[in-house]
Amino acid sequence: GAVVSQHPSWVICKSGTSVKIECRSLDFQATTMFWYRQFPKQSLMLMATSNEGSKATYEQGVEKDKFLINHASLTLSTLTVTSAHPEDSSFYICSARMVGGGDTQYFGPGTRLTVL
Amino acid sequence: QKEVEQNSGPLSVPEGAIASLNCTYSDRVSQSFFWYRQYSGKSPELIMSIYSNGDKEDGRFTAQLNKASQYVSLLIRDSQPSDSATYLCASPGGGADGLTFGKGTHLIIQP
Repeated sequence: GAVVSQHPSWVICKSGTSVKIECRSLDFQATTMFWYRQFPKQSLMLMATSNEGSKATYEQGVEKDKFLINHASLTLSTLTVTSAHPEDSSFYICSARMVGGGDTQYFGPGTRLTVL
Repeated sequence: QKEVEQNSGPLSVPEGAIASLNCTYSDRVSQSFFWYRQYSGKSPELIMSIYSNGDKEDGRFTAQLNKASQYVSLLIRDSQPSDSATYLCASPGGGADGLTFGKGTHLIIQP
């Protein structure tokens, strides 16, 4: 149980294009999903918190107009990287917190974004 | 700003020995702590969570929490080469209880 999927698992795009990443909780409902970013040889950094049916909360230094988050249902959150640039190349990982499951977060497999 | 500190290592342990991983945190009000294992190129997988002072055991893994000293540790008994990975300590501290992660300790189990 508590499986989280992400799609795509990797993506290569040209600078200036937009990329959408999906995060799904497959066997549970998630009121809250989180988006993290991990650069090489660094730890995970929280980008934003996504709550179903409401606006996402962004961490300091994360541009909300560049990283668009939509949490349309209790099982799906999407992150769109708009006008991507090479410095946005990173490993993007989502996590989900189960309804009534305390504060344990279950992580998706991650999406590796490379911007040329 | 909440901080979670870990020694980045690498920590090298012989196969079959006990690996001891440590983590300290700055926020005294933290209530829950998590240990995740991350293999290279993969996302973190949850190993253990701990909420109360003392020890919590799960198979070969034991988490220890000392809130007075603000540290949490993870012991891995009978270490196996497959335990070689980066171990991340985390605690809620970001917006709406997003996790703040330590930098991770790179563990190497030597056959």
